[in-house]
Amino acid sequence: GAVVSQHPSRVICKSGTSVKIECRSLDFQATTMFWYRQFPKQSLMLMATSNEGSKATYEQGVEKDKFLINHASLTLSTLTVTSAHPEDSSFYICSAPTPGSHNTEAFFGQGTRLTVV
Amino acid sequence: AQTVTQSQPEMSVQEAETVTLSCTYDTSENNYYLFWYKQPPSRQMILVIRQEAYKQQNATENRFSVNFQKAAKSFSLKISDSQLGDTAMYFCALRLQGAQKLVFGQGTRLTINP
Repeated sequence: GAVVSQHPSRVICKSGTSVKIECRSLDFQATTMFWYRQFPKQSLMLMATSNEGSKATYEQGVEKDKFLINHASLTLSTLTVTSAHPEDSSFYICSAPTPGSHNTEAFFGQGTRLTVV
Repeated sequence: AQTVTQSQPEMSVQEAETVTLSCTYDTSENNYYLFWYKQPPSRQMILVIRQEAYKQQNATENRFSVNFQKAAKSFSLKISDSQLGDTAMYFCALRLQGAQKLVFGQGTRLTINP
């Protein structure tokens, strides 16, 4: 089945630095990928939609300069948390819908736990 | 806009019992898909079951089945013969046909006790 790989699974960074998270579709092409943020014991909050070949679409309230998204190819999207602060500490998850006109399923990466110290 | 509501933040049952998780949703569209996702302690999101809104027959996957009531906009998940490995967060989600974005409910934390 379709697999989405997310890397790294855990990262600790210092305040003020930037962190890049990668999301790869391993056996299918994904023109669209989604980035979510999940706080402890809460649901997934959609941050942005990553579009291959064009700018990402951000949800209301998400700072585009803070969370840079680049969909460099049909199999790779990256989320860069710039000038990270402790409040950016969270669990970040990417997902990609399966291709095809009858696609009904989304596959998720393993998630990245970001801790900013 | 679409909304998904899970009114049970937490549930707990004994192993081998049957448990039902509730989900209601709201959309003005007629064609959509409904999903239940499981998020175990590893936090990997796993698809449990899906239902196409145009299908009247309730979806079933082994011990997991749904009760889909389109008119009532209800989509509950029944887990039969619950196992310890079923312990996880469960999310109900909705996706419109032709769209790719998922709308998630708040989640229900299910604990299966030995």
